[in-house]
Amino acid sequence: DAGVIQSPRHEVTEMGQEVTLRCKPISGHNSLFWYRQTMMRGLELLIYFNNNVPIDDSGMPEDRFSAKMPNASFSTLKIQPSEPRDSAVYFCASSKMTGNQPQHFGDGTRLSIL
Amino acid sequence: TQLLEQSPQFLSIQEGENLTVYCNSSSVFSSLQWYRQEPGEGPVLLVTVVTGGEVKKLKRLTFQFGDARKDSSLHITAAQPGDTGLYLCAGAPGGGSNYKLTFGKGTLLTVNP
Repeated sequence: DAGVIQSPRHEVTEMGQEVTLRCKPISGHNSLFWYRQTMMRGLELLIYFNNNVPIDDSGMPEDRFSAKMPNASFSTLKIQPSEPRDSAVYFCASSKMTGNQPQHFGDGTRLSIL
Repeated sequence: TQLLEQSPQFLSIQEGENLTVYCNSSSVFSSLQWYRQEPGEGPVLLVTVVTGGEVKKLKRLTFQFGDARKDSSLHITAAQPGDTGLYLCAGAPGGGSNYKLTFGKGTLLTVNP
């Protein structure tokens, strides 16, 4: 079975540019999560969707960050304009929203803002 | 804000040695998960512990949830190079917010052949 698929795997861009990260969750999973991982802060939850609806975006750092889930098989995380402090590894995860179901992570997008 | 502290932050040992890593908090969690993350990959779930005092074994790995559900430990017996990775614990607050995992910063384990 295909796992969570993220693209691109690596992104290097200059500050001020728009960055779009993409995620395809596991088929049949109705919960989707975006995380950011840095050495200083570890893994932080940015936003959580359930059945394509954003439920909790309290972790989104600033208005420069936005996320969408237009259908059950696709989500995007956009940063506009990007800044060097946004450099991190961004993970998407999905799960079945029942009980203590595990979250399945993609392999991440390593983002570097110059 | 619930925080999870993991110790040690770094651990380098020889193949065949035993080790224990810890995950501590002042908060109570409804459940606690352990993940292993390898370079260039996302975290992969190893185990979920739910009941205070629970012990789960996964081959050479033994996981324990504290009686008060505030802490957990992971013990590896006879470590192998394939055990190398970042070990993360994550706590779930319970109730309707069970999706909102709090992750520790991890223990980076290196097992040398």
